[in-house]
Amino acid sequence: AQSVTQLGSHVSVSEGALVLLRCNYSSSVPPYLFWYVQYPNQGLQLLLKYTSAATLVKGINGFEAEFKKSETSFHLTKPSAHMSDAAEYFCAVRGVNAGNMLTFGGGTRLMVKP
Amino acid sequence: ETGVTQSPTHLIKTRGQQVTLRCSSQSGHNTVSWYQQALGQGPQFIFQYYREEENGRGNFPPRFSGLQFPNYSSELNVNALELDDSALYLCASSLDRGVAYEQYFGPGTRLTVT
Repeated sequence: AQSVTQLGSHVSVSEGALVLLRCNYSSSVPPYLFWYVQYPNQGLQLLLKYTSAATLVKGINGFEAEFKKSETSFHLTKPSAHMSDAAEYFCAVRGVNAGNMLTFGGGTRLMVKP
Repeated sequence: ETGVTQSPTHLIKTRGQQVTLRCSSQSGHNTVSWYQQALGQGPQFIFQYYREEENGRGNFPPRFSGLQFPNYSSELNVNALELDDSALYLCASSLDRGVAYEQYFGPGTRLTVT
């Protein structure tokens, strides 16, 4: 079985500050890990993905995430927050199981203060 | 290239009724997955279709059923609607069913059951 835990359902940062969104996973097989962003009334957009290559993954819009197997973590960071980063962020794990399904965390709502 | 589209955008149904949601996959994609996203939660996997056959199913009752057509578009059918079925239903298509293939999400259908 696989699962994802996102610590902090709401995170608030000031514009220009570091963004850190936390994700821990459990998986019985080497995982594929993803971060998605969801803007209000929209579907999910892929930010970045880890597929067992480099442990530091760079994505779109200046985001990056580091896979740490020893900590079973895949935290998302961005050095400097922009107002446009305000959205809901979901971490997801995908393994070799029925339907190769994505298992999502509960999400973290990022708020950016001017 | 046209992305994943879903119809309708919004839908209001009464408890006990039946509903059909539709998804057109991205050009060239033969795999479609459906997810349910309740308010304030992460998406949950319903099922996946690969070349017109169900390829995996999440923890949803049989009143959730689906179809995939020869052009790889898909339907999600829900019978005997319950209030808890109110959610955003997301469709995602991928080039193939393997775990390495990225899932591209549509904008979703917002279902309200009263």
